Amino acid sequence: EVQLVESGGGLIQPGGSLRLSCAASGFTLSNYWVHWVRQAPGKGLVWVSRINTDGSNIIYADSVRGRFTISRDNAKNTVFLQMSSLRADDTAVYYCARSTLLISMDVWGQGTTVTVSS
Amino acid sequence: QSVLTQPPSASGTPGQRVTISCSGSNDNIGSSYVYWFQLVPGTAPKLLIYKNNQRPSGVPDRFSGSKSGTSGSLAISGLRSEDEADYYCASWNDKLSSWVFGGGTKVTVL
Repeated sequence: EVQLVESGGGLIQPGGSLRLSCAASGFTLSNYWVHWVRQAPGKGLVWVSRINTDGSNIIYADSVRGRFTISRDNAKNTVFLQMSSLRADDTAVYYCARSTLLISMDVWGQGTTVTVSS
Repeated sequence: QSVLTQPPSASGTPGQRVTISCSGSNDNIGSSYVYWFQLVPGTAPKLLIYKNNQRPSGVPDRFSGSKSGTSGSLAISGLRSEDEADYYCASWNDKLSSWVFGGGTKVTVL
């Protein structure tokens, strides 16, 4: 079965760091671009970042640029989101989704919850 | 405040047709494709429509998409109870160099 599974979420104090993982099964993640999208409690979807197949082309939303770093380990079929200087407004469910040039965000994970609170 | 504008809610009775609008600008929908996603609490988001009007395999043909100028729309015909969910539109925004989403529309089946 084709699926993405996010992990690494949890409760973290403001100013702290956390690393999320997005692991693929049932397909080869190295053939796909990967996005991170988040949804704060009671709010809508917000795009966070995207990485291309070999990690040479990366983009971020203004709200996280300079604080979040997306990366990938194709040997482990996994993409990461390193989050630092976390703020309360980073509290959200974080989803990863795969893309190709033909079709964007066609498979999503179920998300991992990040709560930034003291 | 989302870059793309959707109505917060829509509703219909089983069997009816419901349409959801998504309004953008020349920086996004006007120069790129519209995508539509379905979110059901506790499940992974699901792609319903890509490139304005294309359905991925497995998505029922009750779901259809269209685009005109700087707006897109999603239509759900033959509404069913399992269609009760939140629906989001999305598009690439050239000016922001980022993807942008609508605020979401909650569809209720009466």
